[in-house]
Amino acid sequence: GNSVTQMEGPVTLSEEAFLTINCTYTATGYPSLFWYVQYPGEGLQLLLKATKADDKGSNKGFEATYRKETTSFHLEKGSVQVSDSAVYFCALRTMDSNYQLIWGAGTKLIIKP
Amino acid sequence: DTEVTQTPKHLVMGMTNKKSLKCEQHMGHRAMYWYKQKAKKPPELMFVYSYEKLSINESVPSRFSPECPNSSLLNLHLHALQPEDSALYLCASSNRLRDEQFFGPGTRLTVL
Repeated sequence: GNSVTQMEGPVTLSEEAFLTINCTYTATGYPSLFWYVQYPGEGLQLLLKATKADDKGSNKGFEATYRKETTSFHLEKGSVQVSDSAVYFCALRTMDSNYQLIWGAGTKLIIKP
Repeated sequence: DTEVTQTPKHLVMGMTNKKSLKCEQHMGHRAMYWYKQKAKKPPELMFVYSYEKLSINESVPSRFSPECPNSSLLNLHLHALQPEDSALYLCASSNRLRDEQFFGPGTRLTVL
């Protein structure tokens, strides 16, 4: 079946540190991959996406590359800010999941000044 | 207009009350979704409407009743809820089922 595994949080970093949040997936077919972010008390926002192998999604300084050989879609940012504190969800979608999103458990990120 | 709006922002209700949640989008999207999110968990899909017809019902109890009066509006009618139904209820829309979903800010529901 289809599933997404994310590193457990919380992840605590100092401002300007380098961020990596690991995400690996299991899927039949060729999934599209997504990172969503949820700031405290808010809904979900699409952060970035990739629809085929070797695609790199990027937004707001965050990047993730679709790696088919390692079935991974790790989220990275070169220099985090306090305002990046949020919960980050990795998700996939495939045709055989009726295009519905399959979610990871979420990783809480805490950035300290 | 590129946003999904939800009202109310917060709702407190008793187990015998009847209330409704409302979701609206003006992006011309033809698919709309209801999700339930408990604290520190990913969202769980409840219902999907495609072209104003119920496409997916993820075995949700009948005390939750969705309605899609038109292509811009999605309601969730609530009746005889239980305390364990307390959660953040998120609405989302997408151009079609295969397209990326845009989420609203959610309604924080507390059932006493």
